[in-house]
Amino acid sequence: GAVVSQHPSRVICKSGTSVKIECRSLDFQATTMFWYRQFPKQSLMLMATSNEGSKATYEQGVEKDKFLINHASLTLSTLTVTSAHPEDSSFYICSAIPLSGIQDTQYFGPGTRLTVL
Amino acid sequence: GNSVTQMEGPVTLSEEAFLTINCTYTATGYPSLFWYVQYPGEGLQLLLKATKADDKGSNKGFEATYRKETTSFHLEKGSVQVSDSAVYFCALSEKGAQKLVFGQGTRLTINP
Repeated sequence: GAVVSQHPSRVICKSGTSVKIECRSLDFQATTMFWYRQFPKQSLMLMATSNEGSKATYEQGVEKDKFLINHASLTLSTLTVTSAHPEDSSFYICSAIPLSGIQDTQYFGPGTRLTVL
Repeated sequence: GNSVTQMEGPVTLSEEAFLTINCTYTATGYPSLFWYVQYPGEGLQLLLKATKADDKGSNKGFEATYRKETTSFHLEKGSVQVSDSAVYFCALSEKGAQKLVFGQGTRLTINP
């Protein structure tokens, strides 16, 4: 149980275009999802906390207008990278906390590798 | 602010060797501590956790003890297997909060 999927797993886009990444909890509902960014050989950096039915909470230094987050339902959060540039190339990972159960355990998706040309 | 420091990798061991991956933390109050593992091509999975001082988390032969006096949560396994090859992340969350702060990760390779 507690499976989180991400789509797509890999995307290549041109500079200036927008890319949407989906994060789904497949067998549980989640009011809270998190979006992380992972640079090569580095740790995960929390970008924002996504709350179902309300605005996302962004970490300091993360541009909310560039990284649009929508948590439309209890099983889906989306991250849209707007006007992507090569420096946005990274590995984006989401996680979710089940609505019921232990509230300090996050379940992670497999990640999406974004390459901006 | 809160932070987690874990030993630099990569770490390469032979099968059946003893493993230690060091992790220390800085936090206000008494956080919960976690070890996550990321196998090649997969997402992070919770390996074990401890929520208060002197607690020992264990899973799949791995253990870690929450040491408040040394602010540490070192990961150990007595006899590693090739299938343990992965990246291991130490992390903390403040009590009552859900946000995780991760260490930089340690890549472990086990050779047969």
